[in-house]
Amino acid sequence: GESVGLHLPTLSVQEGDNSIINCAYSNSASDYFIWYKQESGKGPQFIIDIRSNMDKRQGQRVTVLLNKTVKHLSLQIAATQPGDSAVYFCAEKIQGAQKLVFGQGTRLTINP
Amino acid sequence: GAGVSQSPSNKVTEKGKDVELRCDPISGHTALYWYRQSLGQGLEFLIYFQGNSAPDKSGLPSDRFSAERTGGSVSTLTIQRTQQEDSAVYLCASSPLGGVYNEQFFGPGTRLTVL
Repeated sequence: GESVGLHLPTLSVQEGDNSIINCAYSNSASDYFIWYKQESGKGPQFIIDIRSNMDKRQGQRVTVLLNKTVKHLSLQIAATQPGDSAVYFCAEKIQGAQKLVFGQGTRLTINP
Repeated sequence: GAGVSQSPSNKVTEKGKDVELRCDPISGHTALYWYRQSLGQGLEFLIYFQGNSAPDKSGLPSDRFSAERTGGSVSTLTIQRTQQEDSAVYLCASSPLGGVYNEQFFGPGTRLTVL
């Protein structure tokens, strides 16, 4: 079943290409930033996180970049695969709190 | 191992009825969160439980919403006198104890439809 709405920003890429998903955040007091992947009918799944004192972190096929000057976060996915098709959310954790504040989400579609 | 489970997976109710949504966190996780995901929007924080501490209820949208966590494990989110705008997917997450930040593991959600 569909878990998010029809008006999400969308990004379509060819299989095998790299994709970049962007996110703007608003709170300067955030100490962690996290990317989640949500497939249809499922809960969000953790991809990668980055602490606010870092500007880059790499995982398997994914890289997160943090630019605190302009309050911008990006997720780069290398060599995209059909299984990467999903909605991607950025989230921020406010310092001193445990709850996460989520962005709107971006729907990534991989074209064969 | 078992992840976070939620029940029911789908719930259809009539406006004005009360509903209860259940969350079973990962065994050993002391922190439990409820979020709401409406169409066209991202996840919205509702409430957070951590051990025996008083819950953070700052995200509950109205006094029709309440949640409890019994025995530090299972949690129930109750919505009284449901309204059509309560229709959404309700997601539960849990995380282990301690530290500045711990990854939150999400369940599959309960899709609530209020007619």
